Amino acid sequence: SAVISQKPSRDICQRGTSLTIQCQVDSQVTMMFWYRQQPGQSLTLIATANQGSEATYESGFVIDKFPISRPNLTFSTLTVSNMSPEDSSIYLCSVVGQWSSYEQYFGPGTRLTVT
Amino acid sequence: TQLLEQSPQFLSIQEGENLTVYCNSSSVFSSLQWYRQEPGEGPVLLVTVVTGGEVKKLKRLTFQFGDARKDSSLHITAAQPGDTGLYLCAGAKGNKLVFGAGTILRVKS
Repeated sequence: SAVISQKPSRDICQRGTSLTIQCQVDSQVTMMFWYRQQPGQSLTLIATANQGSEATYESGFVIDKFPISRPNLTFSTLTVSNMSPEDSSIYLCSVVGQWSSYEQYFGPGTRLTVT
Repeated sequence: TQLLEQSPQFLSIQEGENLTVYCNSSSVFSSLQWYRQEPGEGPVLLVTVVTGGEVKKLKRLTFQFGDARKDSSLHITAAQPGDTGLYLCAGAKGNKLVFGAGTILRVKS
């Protein structure tokens, strides 16, 4: 499986500001995903990020609030814009495994607290 | 409405006990995965089941995929404190995963 790292691991931010989360993979991958997870709860898919194309957002998530970049096959960023306390959550990136079209492998997550 | 219903939501048991976590849906999935997540970490893939009726064993963990590929179960035998964590089932719909609500398991020594 791929080794995935995320930066920052955690942050405390003031409302109204923006935070960019980085996701780095140790191998080239076509598909990357960004999820949000409330502590102790399940994962909600924010968007799918493919290199060379616009990210595809799930219902309830919009590009203005969560802009995503995917400049190459090993890196992606998710920005949480104009943050409010409701954005406090864990943000996770994942990639599809090399030998499967559906198995996903996750980064360690970024714990965001908005005050 | 949750596409994948996972139960129970929370389970607190003593070391050595057995337990089963269920994942049910009205939808058919091409595959179903089980993940385990510890605090401060991302979910870690435990197993993928693909074929209806399939049973996979991973040491003390037994995973089953329903014949109709709509449901799955995870059975843990002789639970240990190291099994403590959040267990998530996820059904594959194309390249995307649909996650259940999760089961928080706490095994007390």
